[in-house]
Amino acid sequence: DGGITQSPKYLFRKEGQNVTLSCEQNLNHDAMYWYRQDPGQGLRLIYYSQIVNDFQKGDIAEGYSVSREKKESFPLTVTSAQKNPTAFYLCAQHGGPITNFGDGTRLSIL
Amino acid sequence: GEDVEQSLFLSVREGDSSVINCTYTDSSSTYLYWYKQEPGAGLQLLTYIFSNMDMKQDQRLTVLLNKKDKHLSLRIADTQTGDSAIYFCAESTGSQGNLIFGKGTKLSVKP
Repeated sequence: DGGITQSPKYLFRKEGQNVTLSCEQNLNHDAMYWYRQDPGQGLRLIYYSQIVNDFQKGDIAEGYSVSREKKESFPLTVTSAQKNPTAFYLCAQHGGPITNFGDGTRLSIL
Repeated sequence: GEDVEQSLFLSVREGDSSVINCTYTDSSSTYLYWYKQEPGAGLQLLTYIFSNMDMKQDQRLTVLLNKKDKHLSLRIADTQTGDSAIYFCAESTGSQGNLIFGKGTKLSVKP
């Protein structure tokens, strides 16, 4: 898994509900990222974090929130403000020139 | 702005070579990457090339970089059915590490 673990693999959200996707890494890297993938599309950056207790918005941050309280953890919350949350979410960590991805979480609407 | 473009589909016969092409617009790209994605899975890093290199070879994979034309290609020799997947080209332009991705090329390998 390249040292990065995402859970759960599948997640369902009800109308008006916030859901949180987990991302954990064990490589002691500072930089972590969240990307969204839609069918037939490349990956788009939601949020990224270069260091604990700091994070920046990516290209499509609206309707999402993150935290970085520990180096190894970078959870993503999909809020009820995100009107089109159905997608495949990928977490990544970056060390040197290499970015490794987790196995992804597929989020669907009930 | 930054943009990475790839053709969407490629079909080859088993045993032939596959060549997947990519163009990018940001001349300040430091590294360029090829990732492979199988159905329902995350992205697997196949190989990457530093922007001051022309070519990199790794077993069946050959990456060619034409910096003048901002063109990157991935050649897979002796393509196998297990190579069927979506291949993403990506560029990294700074130390922050965030990548700009193309939309992916779906490679189909026919027996």
